[in-house]
Amino acid sequence: QVQLQESGPGLVKPSETLSLTCSVSGYSITSGHYWGWIRQPPGKGLEYIGNVYHIGSTYYNPSLKGRVSISLDKSKNQVSLKVTSVIDTDTAVYYCARHSGVVGTIPPLFDSWGQGTLVIVSS
Amino acid sequence: QSVLTQPPSMSGAPGQRVTISCTGNSSNIGTPYAVHWYQQLPGTAPKLLIYANVNRPSGVPDRFSGSKSGTSASLAITGLQAEDEADYYCQSYDISLSGVVFGGGTKLTVL
Repeated sequence: QVQLQESGPGLVKPSETLSLTCSVSGYSITSGHYWGWIRQPPGKGLEYIGNVYHIGSTYYNPSLKGRVSISLDKSKNQVSLKVTSVIDTDTAVYYCARHSGVVGTIPPLFDSWGQGTLVIVSS
Repeated sequence: QSVLTQPPSMSGAPGQRVTISCTGNSSNIGTPYAVHWYQQLPGTAPKLLIYANVNRPSGVPDRFSGSKSGTSASLAITGLQAEDEADYYCQSYDISLSGVVFGGGTKLTVL
């Protein structure tokens, strides 16, 4: 059974870079699937940040305006997220999740999630 | 502001039926792309509840059902139970964004 665990600093200063890692166990990240990041500001809804495919290609939500990068570390079976030039609205619980791609008319389906990690942007 | 629109909150008494709506447009729900629904219990990650409009993963009670029509989708919960108190999110695919979109979430309170 696949398990995902996010880790990283819980506090980041404005204008700095947010860096998180998602450690995956029970499944090789190179075997298939997409590895996505989703965030949830306190008391608000879910926002899809982007993903990396098992072969390394990526997709980023246009709303994040080029501040995001997602990558694979195959040797450690980990997925990483970086968000540059953070501001207070980047404060959120960040989740990593495994999902499928689009299959016919079936949108990506998120079948495994990490527990999430809270990142606060504050000086 | 979420691409898909859900009522922020709903409530119902135990045993009642509630229906949560999810409204999109011609770039997402109005396309042939299906809708998924997730349940998020307090302090936990979302869990898949309904996939491809109407299907339940193994272990999800048949009190939960989904539907889609036009630019909207709905999640119905019958025989409401205290354990159903949670946030519910719809999710689909947007062809203009070429990416995943979520609804803003609906907080369901069991009275």
